[in-house]
Amino acid sequence: AQSVTQLDSHVSVSEGTPVLLRCNYSSSYSPSLFWYVQHPNKGLQLLLKYTSAATLVKGINGFEAEFKKSETSFHLTKPSAHMSDAAEYFCVVSGDNYGQNFVFGPGTRLSVLP
Amino acid sequence: NAGVTQTPKFRVLKTGQSMTLLCAQDMNHEYMYWYRQDPGMGLRLIHYSVGEGTTAKGEVPDGYNVSRLKKQNFLLGLESAAPSQTSVYFCASRRKLAGDHNEQFFGPGTRLTVL
Repeated sequence: AQSVTQLDSHVSVSEGTPVLLRCNYSSSYSPSLFWYVQHPNKGLQLLLKYTSAATLVKGINGFEAEFKKSETSFHLTKPSAHMSDAAEYFCVVSGDNYGQNFVFGPGTRLSVLP
Repeated sequence: NAGVTQTPKFRVLKTGQSMTLLCAQDMNHEYMYWYRQDPGMGLRLIHYSVGEGTTAKGEVPDGYNVSRLKKQNFLLGLESAAPSQTSVYFCASRRKLAGDHNEQFFGPGTRLTVL
């Protein structure tokens, strides 16, 4: 069965410093992986997705993630945090061909300090 | 395109009351989903549909029913609301493609409080 672990429930960084949000997954299929962002009282927006075409995936707003099969990881990074990056981030894995089996991680809340 | 819309945005119910949440999408997506979001638990799948007239249970289906009579609409019903169903409910849709690499599109959510 698929599962997702987000290793930090809360990450706090200063504006202009790098961001690292960690995600490990378990899947019995060749996985598809996604990162979504949720700003307060908003819906979820796709940041980026892994489609097996390239292990380093670039997303919106300067975020990127690297798929490492040997480590079963899909960590999200950004070189320089901006105040507007403060939000909740979810790592998601899907693994079947029927579009039904999406598993969400518990989320990581990112705080950006001035 | 409005994308995925949800009605209502907020609702307060008393224990035992019933209500229906409506999700509509204008992207002609085949798949639709209902999730609930609770603090520290991410999103959990309640029910989903892979096409008009078909529905299936997700991770936490108890106390909920769904219907997909039209491709663009996915209804979530609570027959007898309980305080444990206080949550934020999200609807999502997704296009059917070969393979499994396309993302879900989410609505803005419905905040439900059951007293």
